[in-house]
Amino acid sequence: EVQLVESGGGLVQPGGSLRLSCAASGFTVSSNYMSWVRQAPGKGLECVSVIYSSGTTYYADSVKGRFTISRDNSKNTLYLQMNSLRAEDTAVYYCARDNYDSSGSDWGQGNLVTVSP
Amino acid sequence: DVVMTQSPLSLPVTLGQPASISCRSSHSLVHSDGNTYLNWFQQRPGQSPRRLIYKVSNRDSGVPDRFSGSGSGADFTLKISRVEAEDVGVYYCMQGTHWLTFGGGTKVEIK
Repeated sequence: EVQLVESGGGLVQPGGSLRLSCAASGFTVSSNYMSWVRQAPGKGLECVSVIYSSGTTYYADSVKGRFTISRDNSKNTLYLQMNSLRAEDTAVYYCARDNYDSSGSDWGQGNLVTVSP
Repeated sequence: DVVMTQSPLSLPVTLGQPASISCRSSHSLVHSDGNTYLNWFQQRPGQSPRRLIYKVSNRDSGVPDRFSGSGSGADFTLKISRVEAEDVGVYYCMQGTHWLTFGGGTKVEIK
């Protein structure tokens, strides 16, 4: 059974840092397209970062230079390092797997990040 | 960046009646590999998003056949043939051809 378990969220002051983790089971992170998608309170979905199986990464303009996506193959875990956090980064962060094929698409339960003094 | 525009924003529907959601892209979503990477997601209240349709018209396993996707180029549609109470939620289109962007969402509710 595929499972994505996120951790690492919480309350942080503006300018601070957090690292989100997404532990995967039932599939291999490095063989899949993995992304971090966030949802601000009462708002829609926004893709923050993607890492493809090739290792190529992409970032939304709003987080470029501040966030870094990575994966640890030995732990089968996806990460999002978030630095220089701003109030507008406050959101529920989801990790997701989606290869645009019949293998399905899986999402974590979501992890709330609150940036506030 | 590719902008995805969904309409309507809100869609009140009578149980058993059809519903249709439009998604238009600012650019063609046909990839150089010939595929069109357009997915549809459902997000029920308090839940994580769930993919319904991938690559325009392919229904995911376990998705009721009352859901269907169609379209091409930059113009796409999600249809629900007969709305049921469990279909209440927000629906998003998402393109993966040029980076990855979502539409603004369409809230489906029961009249």
